[in-house]
Amino acid sequence: EVQLLESGGGLVQPGGSLRLSCAASGFTFSTYAMNWVRQAPGKGLEWISVISSSGDSTNYGDSVKGRFTISRDNSKNTLYLQMNGLRAEDTAVYYCAKHLFDNSRGRCFDYWGQGTLVTVSS
Amino acid sequence: EIVLTQSPGTLSLSPGERATLSCRASQSVSSTYLAWYQQKPGQAPRLLIYGSFNRATGIPDRFSGSGSGTDFTLTISRLEPEDFAVYYCHQYDSSPWTFGQGTKVEIK
Repeated sequence: EVQLLESGGGLVQPGGSLRLSCAASGFTFSTYAMNWVRQAPGKGLEWISVISSSGDSTNYGDSVKGRFTISRDNSKNTLYLQMNGLRAEDTAVYYCAKHLFDNSRGRCFDYWGQGTLVTVSS
Repeated sequence: EIVLTQSPGTLSLSPGERATLSCRASQSVSSTYLAWYQQKPGQAPRLLIYGSFNRATGIPDRFSGSGSGTDFTLTISRLEPEDFAVYYCHQYDSSPWTFGQGTKVEIK
């Protein structure tokens, strides 16, 4: 059974940093690109970052580019999101999500974690 | 950035009725790269449809997707009680990948 378990969320002051983790199991982690998607309270979904299966290619949404860094450790089956320069508008539930297929046709998300809440407030 | 606009914002229907949800893109999206998700309160989204019309694993056949270019549709043929939720379309054709703002299907 595929499982994605996020951790690392919490309350942080504006300008602060936080590192999220997503522990994966039940599939060959190193085969699939992985993503972070967030959802502000009461709002819709926002894709923020993707990393290739090997980790050598990344991409970001404009709202987080230059502040957030996605990475992965395939030996530990774990995805990360380093968040720096946090702002109030970054307050959201952060989900990790797995690509459906290991090719361009499969760049949608068939498995999601339960999410971890990040609150940016003084 | 491709903006996806979903309509209506809220759909009030009774169990057994047909639901038709629309997703319009600000520019053409390849039908290969359009998905639909269902989200219930307090839960992560669930993939329903990928590639515009392909049902994801375990999705009942009352859910169907169609469309091309800038206009896509999710149809639920006969609403079951568990179908009342928020639905999002998602394009993964052009970066940044984007979602629609959602359509809430509520019980009338």
